[in-house]
Parts: sequence; structure tokens; C-alpha cells
Amino acid sequence: GNSVTQMEGPVTLSEEAFLTINCTYTATGYPSLFWYVQYPGEGLQLLLKATKADDKGSNKGFEATYRKETTSFHLEKGSVQVSDSAVYFCALSDNYTGFQKLVFGTGTRLLVSP
Amino acid sequence: DVKVTQSSRYLVKRTGEKVFLECVQDMDHENMFWYRQDPGLGLRLIYFSYDVKMKEKGDIPEGYSVSREKKERFSLILESASTNQTSMYLCASSKSGGNQPQHFGDGTRLSIL
Repeated sequence: GNSVTQMEGPVTLSEEAFLTINCTYTATGYPSLFWYVQYPGEGLQLLLKATKADDKGSNKGFEATYRKETTSFHLEKGSVQVSDSAVYFCALSDNYTGFQKLVFGTGTRLLVSP
Repeated sequence: DVKVTQSSRYLVKRTGEKVFLECVQDMDHENMFWYRQDPGLGLRLIYFSYDVKMKEKGDIPEGYSVSREKKERFSLILESASTNQTSMYLCASSKSGGNQPQHFGDGTRLSIL
């Protein structure tokens, strides 16, 4: 079945450091890919998405490129802030099911210190 | 903005009780979902619904049931709560059609004693 693998956390960075959170997937068909973010005490929020190969999703300084050849969708940010501390989830959606079911990775916690 | 509201942020119940978790969305979304979130396991889909009175099992439906009598409301029911159902429960909704994002509530942290 479809699955998503994320790097283990926590990822600990200093403010203004470069961020990469790795995400790879296994899927049949041509899924859409998403990054969601969960701030402490809150539900998940959509951060960015990409719907086809070579698409780049971007939002709030975060970027991720849909790489079909490496089945990856790594999240990057050039300069992190303390306010970026959260748990980040990579997810895929199988467009063939018609119901937009999402398969999530286990999440990666990011801790940014001043 | 889409608003998904879960009725309780924290809930404590006893083993064997029947537990109801309520979720309401205000954007006329067709699809609604219930997940549980556990450390190291991410989010796992319990049940989802694509229309009123319609429901589909997700990946871990055992011990749960759902009800969708109105489009805006999706209820999760623990028929006889057990300690292994202690978890964070998240409700989400989305429009039908391709590539639609899911919008999440803030979650209910349920403890079964």
C-alpha cells in the first residue's frame, strides 16, 4: 500500500539556520503531496502542496519539490525562526480513490532555539 | 476561513463507558474524517464520510463507530471505551474533488482510566 517515510526527530537548530526535513514516499499512481504543520496545542494546518512531478510548493518561506525520480518531497527553509518550532507531517493523497484519503508520515519535530 | 470545531479539548472517561466525540464544520464540505494521533505513529485514519449518512472504514476502525446525520456534523463513538483508546483524536473536513486539502480541528485529548 501507499506509505510515507519521514526522518526521525527532533531536529534541533539555531535561529537563522537552514532547514531540511526529508520525506520519501511509496505509491501507485500519481499522488499529490502535502506538508502539514502542527503547532503546540493545535490541529494540523496545510503548509504547502504539489500535485504533479516537478511542481514546487511554497509558503511562509518553506519550499518542497515533487521529485518523481527519487520519490521524494523534502521540506526546506533558508532561515528558520523560533516561531517555526512545531511538528511537520508529510502526506500523500491517492487521487484515484476519489475520496482524497491522506496517508501521513510519523511527523518530525523541529525545535529552533534563539 | 474554514472552521472545524471539536466539542472538547480534553476528556476523561472510564473503561467500559460509551464515549461521543463531536465535530462540526462550517464550510459545507462533503468529506469528513476522524484520525487518532499517537507518538511515533503519526495520524491514522479511523473512519471517513463523503456524504450524509455515508461512512467508510479507515485503517483502524475496530472499537469505533461514526454517525453523520447532517452534513456539517460528524460524530465518533467509542462503544465501550478501553485504555488503549487513550489518544489525541483529530477531526478534519474537505471539499470533494481532486487535490483538496483537509482542514483540521484542534483535537480532543481523550484519557480512558
